[in-house]
Amino acid sequence: NAGVTQTPKFQVLKTGQSMTLQCAQDMNHNSMYWYRQDPGMGLRLIYYSASEGTTDKGEVPNGYNVSRLNKREFSLRLESAAPSQTSVYFCASSILQGGSTDTQYFGPGTRLTVL
Amino acid sequence: EDQVTQSPEALRLQEGESSSLNCSYTVSGLRGLFWYRQDPGKGPEFLFTLYSAGEEKEKERLKATLTKKESFLHITAPKPEDSATYLCAVQARGGFKTIFGAGTRLFVKA
Repeated sequence: NAGVTQTPKFQVLKTGQSMTLQCAQDMNHNSMYWYRQDPGMGLRLIYYSASEGTTDKGEVPNGYNVSRLNKREFSLRLESAAPSQTSVYFCASSILQGGSTDTQYFGPGTRLTVL
Repeated sequence: EDQVTQSPEALRLQEGESSSLNCSYTVSGLRGLFWYRQDPGKGPEFLFTLYSAGEEKEKERLKATLTKKESFLHITAPKPEDSATYLCAVQARGGFKTIFGAGTRLFVKA
């Protein structure tokens, strides 16, 4: 099993450009998440999808959109990139069963720089 | 508001010098507390889940403990390969959002 995979690994954009970050998991997990990680700060939740067909905003959703394409895939789109979106982006997935804790498993990350 | 604070921000140890990392949390009913390890340029790797005060879990040189307000990650006789950032996170009852601390960067020198 590959676990959680992300593409691309690195990306440089100019202000105003758009791009989509791709994420896929092969663990048959129900839930998927997008986080960003900035120096000195914890992982911050951008959007999540509790199950196929649903998405919801996290802590820092402004400037982003998501699509849960199917159970395996969850993409993150930047419509008009800004320098403040320079960060490392992580996708995670979890099985999410009611009543129990929900351990998240992370991908390797996408390092995005917006000039 | 749910919150996680980790200390110290960075810790430098000599090989074999045991120490502890602290994770203080406030949450409206703890569902679970997680520890992750993150190597430079990689995603977080799951280590432990703790559910209730008094619980302990061990893995190789690492032992995680939990009280009602904080968790400790004890590192016994660390080796250079234990160098990494260790992240603490909590989940509250009634939801599944996970709140992460900023992490402790551990450096172990041979």
